Parts: sequence; structure tokens; C-alpha cells
Amino acid sequence: AQSVTQLGSHVSVSEGALVLLRCNYSSSVPPYLFWYVQYPNQGLQLLLKYTSAATLVKGINGFEAEFKKSETSFHLTKPSAHMSDAAEYFCAVSDRGTSYDKVIFGPGTSLSVIP
Amino acid sequence: DADVTQTPRNRITKTGKRIMLECSQTKGHDRMYWYRQDPGLGLRLIYYSFDVKDINKGEISDGYSVSRQAQAKFSLSLESAIPNQTALYFCATGDPNQETQYFGPGTRLLVL
Repeated sequence: AQSVTQLGSHVSVSEGALVLLRCNYSSSVPPYLFWYVQYPNQGLQLLLKYTSAATLVKGINGFEAEFKKSETSFHLTKPSAHMSDAAEYFCAVSDRGTSYDKVIFGPGTSLSVIP
Repeated sequence: DADVTQTPRNRITKTGKRIMLECSQTKGHDRMYWYRQDPGLGLRLIYYSFDVKDINKGEISDGYSVSRQAQAKFSLSLESAIPNQTALYFCATGDPNQETQYFGPGTRLLVL
């Protein structure tokens, strides 16, 4: 069965510092992987996704993530944090090639940015 | 205007009451979903629908029911609300071509 773990329910970084949010997955087949962001009082929106093309995926707002099959990881990074990056981040996985897209979400990581 | 709307945005109800949460979308997607979000648990799938005649249970469907009135409308009902159904509920649509889900703003439900 698919599952997603996110190390650290809460991460704090200083403004301008590197952002690293960790995600590991388990899947019986090569998966599709996603990062979604949730700003306060809003729904989730897609940051980026991996669907079998390049292993380094670039998303919106300067975020990127690298798919590492050997480590079953899909960590999210941003070189320089901005105050507006403070939000909840969810990693998600779905099986590739199934007839329906059921997405499994991780528990989320809350990112705080300190001025 | 938002592509996925949810009503109400906030609701307080009492144990045993029936309540309906509504979702509408203008994205033209066949696929629609209901999730609940609890702190530390992420999003869990309650029900999903791939078209008007296709409705499926998710991982936590007990105590909930749904109705797909049209391609654009997908409602979630709590037949007899209980306090542990207090949560944030999200509706989403799915675009299989882009492998992306689009979420509404959420409904915050408190069951007393």
C-alpha cells in the first residue's frame, strides 16, 4: 500500500535561508509525486509534480524537488526563504498507471519563516 | 470567481443533527473528491466520484454519504453528526490529463 511520511511536522527557517522539507514514500510501482501548499485559511494548491520526466522538478515560487528512486524520497527545497513562504506543505503520492487517481497525502509540514 | 466553491465556509452544529456540505466547480472536470483534514493527519479521502453515476468510498466513509447531482456539484452529508467529525473539509476536482487536483477553500465544521 502507498504511504507518505514527512519528517518534521514543523520547520522554522530564517528569511533568506535554505528551505528543505523532507518527504519519503512507499509504493509498489513507480509513483507520481506531488507537493501541495496550503496558505492560511485557503485550500491546497499544487506546487510541483513528478510524473516520470526529469527527476529534478521545478515548481512555482522558486521551489523545486528531486525524485530519488534509490532513497524513495522527494524532498522539497528553495534556496532562499521568503516571509510569504510560511504555510503548510503536503507531499502526496499516487500510483502510476491505475485507472483512477487516488492520491495519498502525507501529514504535512508547517513552515515558519523568521524575519 | 473561484473554480471550486464550498458552502458553507464555517458551520457549528450539534450532535445528532444532519448536515450537508456543498461543493460546486466550474472547471468542467468529471472527477470530484471529498477530504477531511485533521491536524497531524494530513488529508484523508472520504468519497470520490469519477462521473455522475460513479461514486466510490474512500478510506474514511463511515458516517458520511454523498450525492453527485450534476457534473459540477458534489455534496457531502453527515446523517447524524458526532463530535469526532469536527474537522476541516475540502472538496476537490481532478484533471487526469494533468495529474492535478484543484481544491476548494474548505468548510470548517464544529460538532458540539
